[in-house]
Amino acid sequence: NAGVMQNPRHLVRRRGQEARLRCSPMKGHSHVYWYRQLPEEGLKFMVYLQKENIIDESGMPKERFSAEFPKEGPSILRIQQVVRGDSAAYFCASSAGLPHYGYTFGSGTRLTVV
Amino acid sequence: DQQVKQNSPSLSVQEGRISILNCDYTNSMFDYFLWYKKYPAEGPTFLISISSIKDKNEDGRFTVFLNKSAKHLSLHIVPSQPGDSAVYFCAASLNTGNQFYFGTGTSLTVIP
Repeated sequence: NAGVMQNPRHLVRRRGQEARLRCSPMKGHSHVYWYRQLPEEGLKFMVYLQKENIIDESGMPKERFSAEFPKEGPSILRIQQVVRGDSAAYFCASSAGLPHYGYTFGSGTRLTVV
Repeated sequence: DQQVKQNSPSLSVQEGRISILNCDYTNSMFDYFLWYKKYPAEGPTFLISISSIKDKNEDGRFTVFLNKSAKHLSLHIVPSQPGDSAVYFCAASLNTGNQFYFGTGTSLTVIP
């Protein structure tokens, strides 16, 4: 039973390009969460999705960032027109239900904007 | 505004001794707390949790203590082993919330 799969593990983008980060939840999990870890900081919540629905996007920057979790396929975190400040580790987590008892994280995607 | 704080960025402990990692929070409405362990280039893995209705939870070598009046929790690892060397994050959640609020982490080094 594979865990939460994120790809790519490392992504380098030039300023102004688009970054697309993918997350496949654990089998049987229908809840997906995205977190971002900036250098020297803890993980910060970005967005919570269920299949085809955004439940809570209170942590998402208002511009350039979007997320989806389609009926088929992985969840995608999309960052348009990346800037150097977007360089961070982006972690996806999944759960089978409410997150109150913790969830399983993927290994993350490290985005570097040059 | 950092609602969960880990004021010690790093900690070194001799193998076999006790490791104590501390965490403070500001929101008295938090009702569930967790500790995650993270190795380099990996995602955080769940370690142990505690509900606000308890003041202690134990799982093998790991014990979490919660002091609600002080808004403080701690993770005790005893005896510490070299494989425990990692970054430890504490996290808290609200009963009605969808997210965890993470501290900035404490890097534990267990010296053989």
